[in-house]
Amino acid sequence: NAGVTQTPKFQVLKTGQSMTLQCAQDMNHEYMSWYRQDPGMGLRLIHYSVGAGITDQGEVPNGYNVSRSTTEDFPLRLLSAAPSQTSVYFCASSYARVHEQYFGPGTRLTVT
Amino acid sequence: RKEVEQDPGPFNVPEGATVAFNCTYSNSASQSFFWYRQDCRKEPKLLMSVYSSGNEDGRFTAQLNRASQYISLLIRDSKLSDSATYLCVVNGRMDSSYKLIFGSGTRLLVRP
Repeated sequence: NAGVTQTPKFQVLKTGQSMTLQCAQDMNHEYMSWYRQDPGMGLRLIHYSVGAGITDQGEVPNGYNVSRSTTEDFPLRLLSAAPSQTSVYFCASSYARVHEQYFGPGTRLTVT
Repeated sequence: RKEVEQDPGPFNVPEGATVAFNCTYSNSASQSFFWYRQDCRKEPKLLMSVYSSGNEDGRFTAQLNRASQYISLLIRDSKLSDSATYLCVVNGRMDSSYKLIFGSGTRLLVRP
C-alpha cells in the first residue's frame, strides 16, 4: 500500500494564480482532510470529507475549495493564491473522523 | 483557552534520560487521544493511542487523567533518534461536530 500520497512536493506560485494540490489514499478510508501547518500554530483544519460526495469546512476554509468524487481522491484547490497561503499542506485520511489519521508527505507552497 | 495545550519546549535532555510531556485539553467529553511524532519538515506520524487504562509501547508510556483533563507521554532511556516534535491530539468539538484537534507540539532534543 502506498498509504496517502500528495503531489506536488513543492510549489511556488505568484499572487493571484490558482492551482490544485492532489491527494490520494489506497486504504479505503472514508474520512479525508486537509490541514495547513504554520510555525508555532500547529495543524489547522481547512476542509474535510466524510465520504464520496460529502465535504465540509474546517477551521480555516477561506480561499480554498475541495471536492470528493471518489473515495480515493481529495484535491484541494487554491482559487487565487495570496502570500498568507504560504504554508505546508498535509492531507490525511482515517477510518472515521475521530480515529487515528494517516498523513501524506506534505506540499510546501510559497506564494510570492 | 486553547482546546489542546502543550508546552512548546524545547526539552533538551542527555541520551539515556527519562523525559515526560503533558498536554491539557478543555473538552471533558473528549474520547479519543493520541500522541504523534513529527520530524523536521516531515509529516506527523502516529506514535501511540492513549487509552483510559494507560498503555506502554517499549520505552514509551502514555497516560490519561480524565479528572484533570490531561494526557502524558513518558520516554525512558532517550535515544538521539527520539529528537522530534511530539504532538498531542484530542477529539474536540468544532462547530457542530467532533474532530481531531492537534496541539502545537513539544520539541524534544536529545544530546549525546
